[in-house]
Amino acid sequence: KAGVTQTPRYLIKTRGQQVTLSCSPISGHRSVSWYQQTPGQGLQFLFEYFSETQRNKGNFPGRFSGRQFSNSRSEMNVSTLELGDSALYLCASSVVGLAEAKNIQYFGAGTRLSVL
Amino acid sequence: EDKVVQSPLSLVVHEGDTVTLNCSYEVTNFRSLLWYKQEKKAPTFLFMLTSSGIEKKSGRLSSILDKKELFSILNITATQTGDSAVYLCAVEGFGNEKLTFGTGTRLTIIP
Repeated sequence: KAGVTQTPRYLIKTRGQQVTLSCSPISGHRSVSWYQQTPGQGLQFLFEYFSETQRNKGNFPGRFSGRQFSNSRSEMNVSTLELGDSALYLCASSVVGLAEAKNIQYFGAGTRLSVL
Repeated sequence: EDKVVQSPLSLVVHEGDTVTLNCSYEVTNFRSLLWYKQEKKAPTFLFMLTSSGIEKKSGRLSSILDKKELFSILNITATQTGDSAVYLCAVEGFGNEKLTFGTGTRLTIIP
C-alpha cells in the first residue's frame, strides 16, 4: 500500500507570492491533517479535513487555507507569502473510526517551502 | 490549551546503552498519546497508547502511559546507530481532531 504522498517536495517562492501544496492520503484514509514544522516552533497543527469538510483549524492566519476533494486528496494554499512561512509542511492521513488503530495519523515526507 | 513537554531536549549515548525519553502532557478529554520517530522528513509511527499501565512493545522499543500522573515514557534498550533520530510525543483529545506535539528529544547514538 502506498504511503502518504506530498508534492512538490521542494518549493522556492518570493515574498508576496502564493503557493499550493498537494497531499494524497493512503488509500482508504478519509481524514487529512496538515502541520507546519519549524525549528523554533516544532510541529504545529494547521487544519484537518474529513469528507471534504474542515473539522478543526489551528491558530494560523487566514492566509493559510485548504480543501479536500471527494477522493480524499487535499490541497493547502498559502497566499501573500512571508519570510516566516518558510517551513516543512507535513500532511498526515488516518482512516477514522471507533477502533484505536483507525485514528493513527501517518505522515508524508513533507514539502519544504523556502520563502525568499 | 493542550500542551506536551518532552525531556530531555537532547541525549547522546553510546551504542548498546538503554535510554528513557519522557513526555508529560495536558489535554482536554484525553483520547490517545502517540510516539513518532523522525529521522529526516516523515515522522514514522511507533506507538499509540490509550490505557494507563499497559506497556506497548516493539522489538527493543517499549512505551507506557500513566494517565493519573499525565506522562509517558519511551524506552529503547541496546541502542543502535539507526536509533539516532528525533522522537516526538503527541496527544489527541476526543472531539478535537488534531495532534499536539512536543518539541521532541534528539537522540544521538555514538558507535
